[in-house]
Amino acid sequence: GNSVTQMEGPVTLSEEAFLTINCTYTATGYPSLFWYVQYPGEGLQLLLKATKADDKGSNKGFEATYRKETTSFHLEKGSVQVSDSAVYFCALITSYGKLTFGQGTILTVHP
Amino acid sequence: DTGVSQDPRHKITKRGQNVTFRCDPISEHNRLYWYRQTLGQGPEFLTYFQNEAQLEKSRLLSDRFSAERPKGSFSTLEIQRTEQGDSAMYLCASMRDSAQETQYFGPGTRLLVL
Repeated sequence: GNSVTQMEGPVTLSEEAFLTINCTYTATGYPSLFWYVQYPGEGLQLLLKATKADDKGSNKGFEATYRKETTSFHLEKGSVQVSDSAVYFCALITSYGKLTFGQGTILTVHP
Repeated sequence: DTGVSQDPRHKITKRGQNVTFRCDPISEHNRLYWYRQTLGQGPEFLTYFQNEAQLEKSRLLSDRFSAERPKGSFSTLEIQRTEQGDSAMYLCASMRDSAQETQYFGPGTRLLVL
């Protein structure tokens, strides 16, 4: 079946540090891939997505590239801010729209 | 605010009671999904509607759970004879009728069963 594995957290960084959150997946075919973010006290929001191999999704300084050969979709940001503190979820989608999520990675950014 | 609303936002109930949650999706979205999220985990799929038809149910959805979307607009999720293990955040999401589209999530209903 489909599954998503994210790097263990939590991740704690200083402001302006480089961020990488690893995500790998197992799926039949080539699903679309997503990163969702959950800020404290808020609902899940789409951060970025990629729909086919070698696509790069980007938003708010975050980027992730769909790597078919390594079945990965790692999230990166060059310089994190305190306001990026949140829980980040990697996910894939099936043909009827069911999302399969990773377990989430808590990111805390200190000033 | 994504445009998907859920009610109530919080619910505390005693074991054995029935609870019902409501989700109002974005109006032009045909598809509606329910997920459950427990502490420290990602959301897990429960069920999905296309218009008023319930097309898929997870094995997580025991006989005590029932979901409806009677007119293809809002949806309800009912849990009968609640158990402490039902304590979780229940999330609703909606999307247009294409797997390439974005799924928009509501703020969730947090259930605590005492």
